[in-house]
Amino acid sequence: EIVLTQSPGTLSLSPGERATLSCRASQSVYSNYLAWYQQKPGQPPRLVIYGASSRATGIPDRFSGSGSGTDFSLTISRLEPEDFAVYYCQQYGGSPRVSFGQGTKLEIK
Amino acid sequence: QVQLQESGPRLVKPSGTLSLTCSVSGGSLTTSTWWGWIRQPPGKGLEWIGYIFYSGSTNYNPSLKSRLTLSMDTSKNEFSLKVSSLTALDTAVYYCARGGGDLSYVVDWGQGSLVIVSS
Repeated sequence: EIVLTQSPGTLSLSPGERATLSCRASQSVYSNYLAWYQQKPGQPPRLVIYGASSRATGIPDRFSGSGSGTDFSLTISRLEPEDFAVYYCQQYGGSPRVSFGQGTKLEIK
Repeated sequence: QVQLQESGPRLVKPSGTLSLTCSVSGGSLTTSTWWGWIRQPPGKGLEWIGYIFYSGSTNYNPSLKSRLTLSMDTSKNEFSLKVSSLTALDTAVYYCARGGGDLSYVVDWGQGSLVIVSS
């Protein structure tokens, strides 16, 4: 099973700043099948990035994903107030063993 | 836009069986994508449960497989989850979901249904 480790656990930043979230896999993710989700309190997650770098429908271009193999990142170029949430990475290349990271909480400083 | 809505009992007893149904609107179960479930214990992260295709093929989390049953009813445009031999560790918000074609990322999520396992 591929274990995903996200860092940091909590990231405290101010609106307008740049955020970089990391997701490291215990082994190479097949075909870079890596997704990112945003979750706000009391809501289901929302797909942000799939295929490591493709933005989902309706996601602003301040969100970008990068990486390959075992190291991936999600960058938010200029934080807006609505971007503060918990972010999860997910690998889906190891089917049937799909796995999620433990999450990074992005909070307002 | 596809909308998903979970329904089912909110409180189930230990050793019993959890049964949830997801009603789909704005789309058909017979499309070329999967329909499945993810859960989230209160205050914790996400756990993949599994999915089913219209063709009948399935993907199950190996750690849950022996207790899972996924099915779909195309006449009602809904799909279902059963989890047997419940313990308190199965207490979670259960989300139904629609996939990204034949790849296992989630495009659409239901609002979630909190299921508590307790006597």
